[in-house]
Amino acid sequence: GAVVSQHPSRVICKSGTSVKIECRSLDFQATTMFWYRQFPKQSLMLMATSNEGSKATYEQGVEKDKFLINHASLTLSTLTVTSAHPEDSSFYICSAGSGLLYQPQHFGDGTRLSIL
Amino acid sequence: RKEVEQDPGPFNVPEGATVAFNCTYSNSASQSFFWYRQDCRKEPKLLMSVYSSGNEDGRFTAQLNRASQYISLLIRDSKLSDSATYLCVVNSNSGNTPLVFGKGTRLSVIA
Repeated sequence: GAVVSQHPSRVICKSGTSVKIECRSLDFQATTMFWYRQFPKQSLMLMATSNEGSKATYEQGVEKDKFLINHASLTLSTLTVTSAHPEDSSFYICSAGSGLLYQPQHFGDGTRLSIL
Repeated sequence: RKEVEQDPGPFNVPEGATVAFNCTYSNSASQSFFWYRQDCRKEPKLLMSVYSSGNEDGRFTAQLNRASQYISLLIRDSKLSDSATYLCVVNSNSGNTPLVFGKGTRLSVIA
C-alpha cells in the first residue's frame, strides 16, 4: 500500500487562486520531505526540501514567496502555490523517506495542477 | 557534466526481448542507488534498490560498479506492462538528502 499520501490529485482553478497541496507520510516519521515539479516530457525537478520545524530549503530559481512550504509535523508537509498563474500548471510530486541511509524514498501520487 | 546520465532512449523492443539500461553518476561519494519506473502522467515508483554485489528481482537484474561509477538494469523476457520510463536515481549522502535523478530512459515493449 501507499506509504506517502498526497492530496489533492487534481486541481483546476482560475488564475490568481492559491492552491494548497498536502503530503503525508503514512507509517513513518519524516523529518525531511521533498517537493518536485515535472513539466510534460521533462524530468523531475527538485523545487525545495521541506524540513520539519524549520524553514524549507529552496532550489535556485524557485521563489520561496510563491511556493510556500510548511512542515509542521513529522508526517505532514504542505506546499501552497500562491496566486497561481497558467505557467504554474504542472505535475507536483512530494517524496519522503525514513531518513535512513540506503533506504529509498517514496513518492506521493502527485498533484496535477491546471490554472486556467 | 550531469550528475546522473542515462541512455537517452527510446528503446522499442518486442515482447520477450532482453533490454539493458546503463547509467553513470559523477559524485563518487554517492551512497545509495535505485531504479524507479515512471508511467505516463504518474509518480515514480521504486523498482529496486541497487547493491554493490548486484541483485535480482524476478526478471530484473541490477548491477553497480563503484569503481566505474556505473549502474545497470537488465530486463529479461520483456512484457507489454514493462513499457515505462526508467529512472536511474542516486542518493549522495544520508537518507535525508534529495534524490538525484537521471532524465530517464523510455522503454516501449511492442507486441
